[in-house]
Amino acid sequence: EDQVTQSPEALRLQEGESSSLNCSYTVSGLRGLFWYRQDPGKGPEFLFTLYSAGEEKEKERLKATLTKKESFLHITAPKPEDSATYLCAVGMDSSYKLIFGSGTRLLVRP
Amino acid sequence: DAGVIQSPRHEVTEMGQEVTLRCKPISGHNSLFWYRQTMMRGLELLIYFNNNVPIDDSGMPEDRFSAKMPNASFSTLKIQPSEPRDSAVYFCASRSLAGELFFGEGSRLTVL
Repeated sequence: EDQVTQSPEALRLQEGESSSLNCSYTVSGLRGLFWYRQDPGKGPEFLFTLYSAGEEKEKERLKATLTKKESFLHITAPKPEDSATYLCAVGMDSSYKLIFGSGTRLLVRP
Repeated sequence: DAGVIQSPRHEVTEMGQEVTLRCKPISGHNSLFWYRQTMMRGLELLIYFNNNVPIDDSGMPEDRFSAKMPNASFSTLKIQPSEPRDSAVYFCASRSLAGELFFGEGSRLTVL
């Protein structure tokens, strides 16, 4: 069964304390893995797409990496404004659908 | 670009009433998705349109739900009659050629 699992469910960090969020997946034929950020009361905001194992993408304090079974979103020296829910989603070769994980709620304290 | 535009942002209604949610996708995107988000179930795909044609509505929970896309720049999601368990945030998203989904700000529905 195609599945996307994110961990941890929630993460509290002090400002400047680097960490990583995990997205593990089991799908038949990966078309792409997508990371989104969602702020309270807002729609998910697109961050990155990764297409193949070994690929990396960076944006400010965020860096996304991909292996054959999982993706990591590394947050370096986070700031309070990085607090949000981070969602990953997987697209499959055989389908137009994206399967979303349940998200990681990140809180960065000053 | 204005992004995906949804209305209303908030809707409070009573059980049994008809609810219509509206969406304007990003110009040039030919695929449109309606999602529902709740704390318990996360983001669930309700229906997908490609070139204004409904391709897959298997996620629509019941016959009370219907969706239309009369042209490339407008779509509606209708619930008739509404029930308290329909309370959720409903998102519309359009897809770029690269396959990324771009979401609207959502319509928060509360059915009393």
